Amino acid sequence: DAGITQSPRHKVTETGTPVTLRCHQTENHRYMYWYRQDPGHGLRLIHYSYGVKDTDKGEVSDGYSVSRSKTEDFLLTLESATSSQTSVYFCAISEYGGPNTEAFFGQGTRLTVV
Amino acid sequence: QQQVKQSPQSLIVQKGGIPIINCAYENTAFDYFPWYQQFPGKGPALLIAIRPDVSEKKEGRFTISFNKSAKQFSLHIMDSQPGDSATYFCAGSYSGAGSYQLTFGKGTKLSVIP
Repeated sequence: DAGITQSPRHKVTETGTPVTLRCHQTENHRYMYWYRQDPGHGLRLIHYSYGVKDTDKGEVSDGYSVSRSKTEDFLLTLESATSSQTSVYFCAISEYGGPNTEAFFGQGTRLTVV
Repeated sequence: QQQVKQSPQSLIVQKGGIPIINCAYENTAFDYFPWYQQFPGKGPALLIAIRPDVSEKKEGRFTISFNKSAKQFSLHIMDSQPGDSATYFCAGSYSGAGSYQLTFGKGTKLSVIP
């Protein structure tokens, strides 16, 4: 398994509170991604990073921010959690940004916003 | 806007059968088409992938068929086994700002019964 650790693995939080999810990799891969997975929607890209301090928005970025201060860590922050952000969040990494590049996924974080 | 349409949503086959999962894409900029396999409680993992200049690719019991003119591709699983029971996602990859990005279909839950 690729060296990807997501923390926490499970979290329950209240509406309106900020939440930060962490993705830590030991592969020294340049590219890191945050996806959310919801029934009937598959996997949707939230934000991605193509280097330290280099990030960009994905398909569903509203209400989320990210930071990457070190190669190995990519943080996803829900600035003010809402019930619509209840989901399973997956971090992924890839060594290259070009085609034929395999993305390796973490185990996921199940977030419940009540 | 869903750029990759996947069907069926769920599929039940008997052991030894040949499940077929179909995907259609809209974005002609896609140039890499991977399939990911996901078991419950785990992150997705790359199963097999194809480039649009190839019409078919086989890896073990898994085959991708690709029809560029129709903008469709499909996954066939030969001699399916109960251990193949999982959710399968097709995807298309294109060059976004700074990185190739994966756009996933909504997934197909496959159950192989003994």
